[in-house]
Amino acid sequence: ETGVTQTPRHLVMGMTNKKSLKCEQHLGHNAMYWYKQSAKKPLELMFVYNFKEQTENNSVPSRFSPECPNSSHLFLHLHTLQPEDSALYLCASSQDMTSGGAGDTQYFGPGTRLTVL
Amino acid sequence: QKEVEQNSGPLSVPEGAIASLNCTYSDRGSQSFFWYRQYSGKSPELIMFIYSNGDKEDGRFTAQLNKASQYVSLLIRDSQPSDSATYLCAVIFSGGYQKVTFGTGTKLQVIP
Repeated sequence: ETGVTQTPRHLVMGMTNKKSLKCEQHLGHNAMYWYKQSAKKPLELMFVYNFKEQTENNSVPSRFSPECPNSSHLFLHLHTLQPEDSALYLCASSQDMTSGGAGDTQYFGPGTRLTVL
Repeated sequence: QKEVEQNSGPLSVPEGAIASLNCTYSDRGSQSFFWYRQYSGKSPELIMFIYSNGDKEDGRFTAQLNKASQYVSLLIRDSQPSDSATYLCAVIFSGGYQKVTFGTGTKLQVIP
């Protein structure tokens, strides 16, 4: 496996279900990100982890719970979601989080298409 | 509120023409600028990044940055139908940890 992988690629869940999205990066990066992409809206940054420490939580509802056990893995735990949470969830990684330089470049996984019924 | 603005398009250009995509940003202290391409149903992929004022060329792509006017543009020369996609501008604003903001993207259609 190379780059950034995400599983599952598609997920349909009811509002009372609990599920988790998984992201793994094989690039030796130290920073990982969760984004939400809805139709006709810009990419929304949800969470950021740098060296396994959460550095950003952009006012995301508590029904989304991130977990970063190590620099290569990132999870997004989902529970009691709403239909408006249906979107493409993208994971990304970058070398680090310093300002400026090629290390800021983010590499994206293929995404998980989530549908909440 | 840090903002990145792009014309949503679609921008239609004939095959072989130059496509010009523009992006403006609100924070004068912004430091890093990226262009990503996203095909329908796929994830964004990096095309170019630029940090310094002026032009940066990579093959058929040229990124132009003007910090005084707070805009960054992407030129695609000899446009091909395979260039048809949504192009996302991303800006890392100044200060502390990386705070990246994406624009809504411009949809480009290259007409054969």
